[in-house]
Amino acid sequence: DGGITQSPKYLFRKEGQNVTLSCEQNLNHDAMYWYRQDPGQGLRLIYYSQIVNDFQKGDIAEGYSVSREKKESFPLTVTSAQKNPTAFYLCASTIGGYNEQFFGPGTRLTVL
Amino acid sequence: AQSVTQPDIHITVSEGASLELRCNYSYGATPYLFWYVQSPGQGLQLLLKYFSGDTLVQGIKGFEAEFKRSQSSFNLRKPSVHWSDAAEYFCAVGMIKAAGNKLTFGGGTRVLVKP
Repeated sequence: DGGITQSPKYLFRKEGQNVTLSCEQNLNHDAMYWYRQDPGQGLRLIYYSQIVNDFQKGDIAEGYSVSREKKESFPLTVTSAQKNPTAFYLCASTIGGYNEQFFGPGTRLTVL
Repeated sequence: AQSVTQPDIHITVSEGASLELRCNYSYGATPYLFWYVQSPGQGLQLLLKYFSGDTLVQGIKGFEAEFKRSQSSFNLRKPSVHWSDAAEYFCAVGMIKAAGNKLTFGGGTRVLVKP
């Protein structure tokens, strides 16, 4: 079955450590996205990529980094510069145009 | 700047009663619109979408939504709610020809279903 996988489901890290969240899709979608979700704030865009080896900052990119070396993969690194990294992180992809974004199951990151 | 507003943070509805969730947007161009549903700790699932044509769109799980351009609204409705409809609902708006096919999401409405 085609879809988006995110791993791990839950992640715990100590303050000051970088951590990388995985996102893989087998939908053959060109565009991929990372969102952060906090209670009562909806989804906020961190980074997005429309094509391999290219990506753009979203609304809240500070303290995050990404790479897009393969079409299927769009990992997100939460760096120690991110002031408040504890959140639910969602990855999404789309074929583009006016089509919907498909979402992965999310990763809940807790920084202790 | 573009924005999407879901005025109701929480809605409580009795099982079997009707449900309407409001969504208003502020965009300078023709939008395309989505409603997603999220169960706790899960990703988002698409309920329905509107791009053009008939302004009343049907979705999965018995949901429908109506696009009203004059009111900049895209409200979601269900005639009879089931306990399994308890979830959080997000309205999202994209702008035609926007760079990156980005979507702007509303803050969400959490629906509680009373037995």
